[in-house]
Amino acid sequence: DQQVKQNSPSLSVQEGRISILNCDYTNSMFDYFLWYKKYPAEGPTFLISISSIKDKNEDGRFTVFLNKSAKHLSLHIVPSQPGDSAVYFCAATTDSWGKLQFGAGTQVVVTP
Amino acid sequence: DTGVSQDPRHKITKRGQNVTFRCDPISEHNRLYWYRQTLGQGPEFLTYFQNEAQLEKSRLLSDRFSAERPKGSFSTLEIQRTEQGDSAMYLCASSESGTKYNEQFFGPGTRLTVL
Repeated sequence: DQQVKQNSPSLSVQEGRISILNCDYTNSMFDYFLWYKKYPAEGPTFLISISSIKDKNEDGRFTVFLNKSAKHLSLHIVPSQPGDSAVYFCAATTDSWGKLQFGAGTQVVVTP
Repeated sequence: DTGVSQDPRHKITKRGQNVTFRCDPISEHNRLYWYRQTLGQGPEFLTYFQNEAQLEKSRLLSDRFSAERPKGSFSTLEIQRTEQGDSAMYLCASSESGTKYNEQFFGPGTRLTVL
């Protein structure tokens, strides 16, 4: 069963504007959430994470928001840059050793 | 150290053949994970090692799949009697232990095509 869902397979945004990527989960036991970025022919690269005890985490242009009551998290990229064009995966874990469950990904295209 | 490496990067095989993939994690990492990714999906967990001990295998991993990490360093994933449904990208990741949540560093993957 798919416990982590990314319902938007693609997103197109203009350079300089905000990109908002969404992720929903069904397992209330998840207590740590991560976003990974993937370029073609490369493995996923860690971007940013958030613990379930927080509702926001920022790192430069990237901010992740967590709404536990709605079982929803989002990734904001401001401002979007052409180099941000990639597939973004939401992931979650509840295991002490970190087995990740991934969503299906959202393809982001940043246009000039 | 340049990160997690995987070999080969691409493998084409005929149905029924055996294949073996290798993963070299970041040297100080004692946790190693294998994931499988099919087109349009995110990576799916297959198995996990803490040092040389294989601590969990996914239900996705049939008896035709076996993984080893003999000395707690590199790992191999073998698929016996390959089927067309095994065609996928096989990703390896590693991380440090010690704290509960650690960033997993992924390799570039091995793309398997079964004809």
